[in-house]
Amino acid sequence: EDQVTQSPEALRLQEGESSSLNCSYTVSGLRGLFWYRQDPGKGPEFLFTLYSAGEEKEKERLKATLTKKESFLHITAPKPEDSATYLCALRGSGGSYIPTFGRGTSLIVHP
Amino acid sequence: DAGITQSPRHKVTETGTPVTLRCHQTENHRYMYWYRQDPGHGLRLIHYSYGVKDTDKGEVSDGYSVSRSKTEDFLLTLESATSSQTSVYFCAISDTSGATTDTQYFGPGTRLTVL
Repeated sequence: EDQVTQSPEALRLQEGESSSLNCSYTVSGLRGLFWYRQDPGKGPEFLFTLYSAGEEKEKERLKATLTKKESFLHITAPKPEDSATYLCALRGSGGSYIPTFGRGTSLIVHP
Repeated sequence: DAGITQSPRHKVTETGTPVTLRCHQTENHRYMYWYRQDPGHGLRLIHYSYGVKDTDKGEVSDGYSVSRSKTEDFLLTLESATSSQTSVYFCAISDTSGATTDTQYFGPGTRLTVL
């Protein structure tokens, strides 16, 4: 069974204080690992898809990396507008097309 | 942004009444999903569809039914709403080819309150 665990559950940062969110996983053959951002009252917004270990993707202050056991979402010099819940999900190479989601990390960036 | 709309965006209903939520996409994606999101539970899959008239159950399907008569529309019906179905419902779409293979795109959500 595919499993996704995100840590920490909540993170408070000062503006400009860089940090990383963790997504550890177990899967029988990774088809894709996904990062989403969700603002209160809105649907998850797609950020990145990573397909293989060693892959990295960047968007503004966010950088996602992938190893065989975990993915990190690095946030460099965050701003208050980066405050949101960040969700990690994966899809294994088994027969199901259903992704497995983590519970998310709630990030608050204080000015 | 992926072309996904959900209607209604907010609904208040009474216990025992039927409720239908609609998801409409303009991306021609093959897969469509219904999730509910509740505090402490995260996103939970209710039903999904892998083509017109092809649907299957997710982990929390009891009390819900779905229909997909056209590629662009996926309906979620609560046959007899209960207070435990008070939640925020999200529709998502994905495809199995192209640059964004398997990536899900989510709609804006429907907030449902069952009194």
